[in-house]
Formats: sequence, structure tokens, C-alpha cells
Amino acid sequence: AQSVTQLDSQVPVFEEAPVELRCNYSSSVSVYLFWYVQYPNQGLQLLLKYLSGSTLVESINGFEAEFNKSQTSFHLRKPSVHISDTAEYFCAVTVIQGAQKLVFGQGTRLTINP
Amino acid sequence: DVKVTQSSRYLVKRTGEKVFLECVQDMDHENMFWYRQDPGLGLRLIYFSYDVKMKEKGDIPEGYSVSREKKERFSLILESASTNQTSMYLCASSGTSGGPYNEQFFGPGTRLTVL
Repeated sequence: AQSVTQLDSQVPVFEEAPVELRCNYSSSVSVYLFWYVQYPNQGLQLLLKYLSGSTLVESINGFEAEFNKSQTSFHLRKPSVHISDTAEYFCAVTVIQGAQKLVFGQGTRLTINP
Repeated sequence: DVKVTQSSRYLVKRTGEKVFLECVQDMDHENMFWYRQDPGLGLRLIYFSYDVKMKEKGDIPEGYSVSREKKERFSLILESASTNQTSMYLCASSGTSGGPYNEQFFGPGTRLTVL
């Protein structure tokens, strides 16, 4: 069975500082990896995904994540955060079975301080 | 844009009540999912459905049932609500035609409190 561990439950940073949200997974088979974001009082939105090809994937708002197979990690980074990035971030892996179920990590709450 | 709507944003029920949470999607998606979200636990899959009248248990189905009579609607049922079912409930849907992976689209969630 697949599992996902997000190593930090909360990450406070100052505006314009860099940030890294850590994600490790375990799986005996190849996986697809995802980061979802949940802004306050909203549902989840897909931020970026790794399916195949380049191990570095980027989102439209400046986040990037790198798939590292040897370390079974998919950490999320942004070189300079903005107040609007305040949200909860979830790492997830697929389980290819029927409806392509997702297995989520525990979530990391990113708080940006001015 | 894909739209997934949930019948209530906030719901307060009493222990032992039967509770229905409704989810509707407008993109003709085959797959629909119910998750519960709890602090420190992330999202956990309760049930999913890959076709009308089809359902499969997720990771935490105990105390819940589901119904999918129409393709666009997926209902989560708490037969006898208990206080440990107080949580945020998220519905999602996905299609089957997008290549290796079909994105799941989420509704805004229903925050259920059981007193």
C-alpha cells in the first residue's frame, strides 16, 4: 500500500522568504505525485503534478517540486513567498485502481508573516 | 470550468440522527469520491464510485454508506450520526479520458458538527 508523510504540520515564514514543504512517500510500484492547495474556506485545488518525464515540475504561481526517486521525496519549494500563499498544502500519490484513488499526506499549514 | 457543489457548507446534527450529504458535479464525470478531512490526518477516503449504482469502500467506510442513482449526484449517508463523525467532508469528481491520470476536482466542503 502507498503512504505519504508530510514532515511539517506547520511552517511559518516571512513574506519574500524562500520556503520548502517536505513530502516523502512509500510505494512498491511506480507512482504519480501531486501537490494540492487549500486556501481558507475553500476546497482543494491541484497545484502541480508529476506523471513522467522531467523530474522538476512547476506551477503557474511560482511553486516547483522535484521528484526524487532514490529518496522517495517530492518536496515543494518557492523562492519567494507572498501573503496570498497562506494556505494548507497536501501532498498525494495515486493508487492506480479503478477510479485512480489518491492517498493524501497529513497536510502542511503555510503561514506567511509580513 | 468544472463545478462540484455540496448541499451545505455548515451542518449541525444531533447524535443518532440520519444525515445526508449531497454532492453534484456538472462535467459528466464517471468517478466521484467522498473524503473526510481532520487536522493532522489529512484527507481520508470514505467511499468512491466509478459508475452509476457502483460503489467501493475507501479506507474508512465504517459508519457511512453512499448512494449514486444518477451520474451527476453522489450522496454520503450517516445512518446514525455520532460525535466522532464531526469533521469536514469533501466531495470530488474525475473523468476517465485524460490519459494516465485524470484530475480530481473538489467541492468546497461541508463542515458537519454532531452534538
